[in-house]
Amino acid sequence: EAQVTQNPRYLITVTGKKLTVTCSQNMNHEYMSWYRQDPGLGLRQIYYSMNVEVTDKGDVPEGYKVSRKEKRNFPLILESPSPNQTSLYFCASSLSATGAYHEQFFGPGTRLTVL
Amino acid sequence: QKEVEQNSGPLSVPEGAIASLNCTYSDRGSQSFFWYRQYSGKSPELIMSIYSNGDKEDGRFTAQLNKASQYVSLLIRDSQPSDSATYLCAVPSGYSTLTFGKGTMLLVSP
Repeated sequence: EAQVTQNPRYLITVTGKKLTVTCSQNMNHEYMSWYRQDPGLGLRQIYYSMNVEVTDKGDVPEGYKVSRKEKRNFPLILESPSPNQTSLYFCASSLSATGAYHEQFFGPGTRLTVL
Repeated sequence: QKEVEQNSGPLSVPEGAIASLNCTYSDRGSQSFFWYRQYSGKSPELIMSIYSNGDKEDGRFTAQLNKASQYVSLLIRDSQPSDSATYLCAVPSGYSTLTFGKGTMLLVSP
């Protein structure tokens, strides 16, 4: 089954404790992206990757890191989480970032709470 | 910053009615447009994409695009309670990102 997977689905942590949220897709997609979704603010892009070893900042990159060492994986790293990073996080992928191929498919989401 | 605007709603319609959801965008160069449906607490699901002016129909869903006026709409015919969700409009920004509207909540009452 073609899908985007994320782990963990739920995470409660404390301020300053480094964490990684994994994202993997099995569709051989070039483009991958991370979003956070907060009430009243909608989906906001954190980072994206056009291909392996190519990453760039989205609208809200502060406090986050990413890497793209393999085509299928795009982990999101919070080196020192803070309470304002409490949010619902989505990973998404698409065949490419061009036209019709920019149809993005989303993972199930990770609900993160930072105390 | 490219903008995508949607009425937040909620839009309330009775079962069996037509629901009309609208989206305006600021980037005149946009060529592709997407509608996503998101149930509460779930991930967005792509339901329609449209690339040229006019209408595109898929089952009970019709997407309408008017590039001159910079709006795209989604019509849902014969609305069902299961259509109750938030509908997100998405438009590419440049060559690398999708900009999402904040979504319109649709409530279909039995």
